[in-house]
Amino acid sequence: EIVVTQSPATLSLSPGESATLSCRASQSVSSYLTWYQQKPGQAPRLLIYDASNRATGIPARFSGSGSGTDFTLTISSLEPEDFAVYYCQQRSNWPPKWTFGQGTKVEIK
Amino acid sequence: EVQLVESGGGLVQPGGSLRLSCAASGFTFSSYSMNWVRQAPGKGLEWVSYISSSSSTIYYADSVKGRFTISRDNGKNSLYLQMNSLRVEDTAVYYCARERTGYGLDVWGQGTTVTVSS
Repeated sequence: EIVVTQSPATLSLSPGESATLSCRASQSVSSYLTWYQQKPGQAPRLLIYDASNRATGIPARFSGSGSGTDFTLTISSLEPEDFAVYYCQQRSNWPPKWTFGQGTKVEIK
Repeated sequence: EVQLVESGGGLVQPGGSLRLSCAASGFTFSSYSMNWVRQAPGKGLEWVSYISSSSSTIYYADSVKGRFTISRDNGKNSLYLQMNSLRVEDTAVYYCARERTGYGLDVWGQGTTVTVSS
């Protein structure tokens, strides 16, 4: 069973700074890796699919990279609305399931 | 507007049952696979169950297998989650989410809260 691990648990940054979030899978997931953003009291929002493709309406400051077991979400210049929790997720064929990482909280420093 | 609206949450005693519903609008519901995802208070996201567009394929997380049943009614544009033998650890906000193949869970409802407590 694939385990997905995110780091760091918390990232303290100032608006305008760049954020780099890491997601590691215990075995190769090819590029089937998705990133979500969740703000307090809201449902998650799809940001990046297939490791590096921005979902519809997602600003260009969000970018994803990686393949195999190591993936990165980069926010190039943090806007006030970007402070949130970010989850990565992979989908395995066997056992068939979606697995989320434990999340990285990006907080205002 | 593409929308998912969950309902049916509430307070239930351990061992009890609850049925969640998710009403879809603004898209062709019968063309999409659907999922339930939950989030315990202060915790991360946990996938619960998946159902294909025609209901031919269904998967469950090990934590709910044998207790929860996912179903859908394409004629009513609705998704369901029948939850039996509820445990305290099932307490969470339950979200329904549309799955777009190769894309991810691209539309989410606002969630419905299930509290299992005596």
